[in-house]
Amino acid sequence: DTEVTQTPKHLVMGMTNKKSLKCEQHMGHRAMYWYKQKAKKPPELMFVYSYEKLSINESVPSRFSPECPNSSLLNLHLHALQPEDSALYLCASSRKKGDFFGTDTQYFGPGTRLTVL
Amino acid sequence: GENVEQHPSTLSVQEGDSAVIKCTYSDSASNYFPWYKQELGKGPQLIIDIRSNVGEKKDQRIAVTLNKTAKHFSLHITETQPEDSAVYFCAASTTGANSKLTFGKGITLSVRP
Repeated sequence: DTEVTQTPKHLVMGMTNKKSLKCEQHMGHRAMYWYKQKAKKPPELMFVYSYEKLSINESVPSRFSPECPNSSLLNLHLHALQPEDSALYLCASSRKKGDFFGTDTQYFGPGTRLTVL
Repeated sequence: GENVEQHPSTLSVQEGDSAVIKCTYSDSASNYFPWYKQELGKGPQLIIDIRSNVGEKKDQRIAVTLNKTAKHFSLHITETQPEDSAVYFCAASTTGANSKLTFGKGITLSVRP
């Protein structure tokens, strides 16, 4: 089963709110990713975790705070977002073969549609 | 860094016809090329991938070909069906400490019944 689940499906928040997105996989994958996708655009990488440690941060603003509490779970904490942060937030996971991420096969979740008012 | 270009940006075919989507990449060190299908309101779904040590891979109606010399790879869908209608993204990646997938801009495929 190559399933990555994400909750919630939709989220509407104000600019002063604090919210969290959750991602879960039970495939035994040891790399997990957050991507942001704007309408009619490809996914853009935000963060990569490997063995529960942050490995890549693509210069994402600090109002996005990732957390990997265990090998199956990935959270994205949101605080003081801007309307331009409205997007589809995608989680992905991969087995993490060897030392490198790029050539791992990544499996995506359905995403959380975020709207910032 | 890597640059992946996808052609065309939209494609409309008659049901039952074949569809071919081509991507070019810039970094000759790229060695992994996945294709993702994204339906409206859903996340990208891996449909097929190829690594640089093979030239072609097939899975039922879907095939991918890789030309390393010309730095391009193509997705071939035969006997298209309306449910093949979606956005298709190609991607490329190298092997390296901070390697990551570089996606093309995506192509919207419409299959006319």
